[in-house]
Amino acid sequence: DAGVIQSPRHEVTEMGQEVTLRCKPISGHDYLFWYRQTMMRGLELLIYFNNNVPIDDSGMPEDRFSAKMPNASFSTLKIQPSEPRDSAVYFCASTGRATNNEQFFGPGTRLTVL
Amino acid sequence: KNQVEQSPQSLIILEGKNCTLQCNYTVSPFSNLRWYKQDTGRGPVSLTIMTFSENTKSNGRYTATLDADTKQSSLHITASQLSDSASYICVVKTSNTGKLIFGQGTTLQVKP
Repeated sequence: DAGVIQSPRHEVTEMGQEVTLRCKPISGHDYLFWYRQTMMRGLELLIYFNNNVPIDDSGMPEDRFSAKMPNASFSTLKIQPSEPRDSAVYFCASTGRATNNEQFFGPGTRLTVL
Repeated sequence: KNQVEQSPQSLIILEGKNCTLQCNYTVSPFSNLRWYKQDTGRGPVSLTIMTFSENTKSNGRYTATLDADTKQSSLHITASQLSDSASYICVVKTSNTGKLIFGQGTTLQVKP
């Protein structure tokens, strides 16, 4: 199994641009999570899905952030417009009953907004 | 307020030495506690997960303890290796909302 796949691994963009981060969860997992990690705040849960349906998006910082999961094998996190304070590492994780709800994290996307 | 606090913030030890990382939490109601290891530039990887009734759990040279009464957990690393250099994150799950509350992590550096 390839594990959770995220793309791109690194993204550098200018303030005001749209950014789209992508995630492919582990096959068979029915939960998908998006996290943000910064030095100041550590890991923060942004949103999670169960069976492609958003369950809790209370961690999404602003309306500039949106996430979708059109099918069981793909999710996106979009920031529009991006701001310098959005610079962080964004992780996607997935889990399911087969793994006793242990979350498996992807390698992350390091986003830098200039 | 649900919080997870870890100490120390950072730690430097010599290869071969043991060390213990601490985690105190105020999360309620409690479901389980997890320790993750995060290597630089990578995503966190689960080391152990402990429920209310478990006092200790080992994963190789890593041993986690849990005292649900005092709401404290520790992660003990035995005979440290250079590859143990990483951040160690304590995470507590609530049983009502299922939310994960993350600690800020302890950065461990093992020197030769």
